[in-house]
Amino acid sequence: GIQVEQSPPDLILQEGANSTLRCNFSDSVNNLQWFHQNPWGQLINLFYIPSGTKQNGRLSATTVATERYSLLYISSSQTTDSGVYFCAVGGTDKLIFGTGTRLQVFP
Amino acid sequence: ETGVTQTPRHLVMGMTNKKSLKCEQHLGHNAMYWYKQSAKKPLELMFVYNFKEQTENNSVPSRFSPECPNSSHLFLHLHTLQPEDSALYLCASSQVAGTSGSSYNEQFFGPGTRLTVL
Repeated sequence: GIQVEQSPPDLILQEGANSTLRCNFSDSVNNLQWFHQNPWGQLINLFYIPSGTKQNGRLSATTVATERYSLLYISSSQTTDSGVYFCAVGGTDKLIFGTGTRLQVFP
Repeated sequence: ETGVTQTPRHLVMGMTNKKSLKCEQHLGHNAMYWYKQSAKKPLELMFVYNFKEQTENNSVPSRFSPECPNSSHLFLHLHTLQPEDSALYLCASSQVAGTSGSSYNEQFFGPGTRLTVL
């Protein structure tokens, strides 16, 4: 099956810093999503991005499908950005989740 | 109600109890999913329902029994669980593209049920 690797596993930032999270996957995919899981467990949809580049406020994402990776950029980080960020990829039948990047943003 | 809702949000049960988790989606989607998130493990897909038919059972023990009476509701019936089944159970839905139902699009998740088995 498809393998999904996320890096780094942990990231500690001071408020205002920028960061890049990476997701590598082992096979071609039809679906790629980035999620933010808040401390209460809720998965928040950030991007649906099987290819190309998207931006939403301070967050942006780029997927290079031919090279099998995606990047999530967080600019001017805030304490509310803390949590776990998951990349999930799908072929034709299901989403496979990576192990996540745990982000902590300190004031 | 909007999006995907799940009840209860928290559940504590003994190993001999029978309980059910409920999920409802208000997005007009035609596919629904159960995922399990255990401590220090990635989210694992348990079941997929596509147009009310189960299309995926990811080697889940029979003590977990899903039910999908219509495209808006999904249940997970629990019986004789083990302590290692304690986890966050997440429901999701999506709109399947194509008449064959073989292409799955963006999934949206509910808030989850945090289950503790004593």
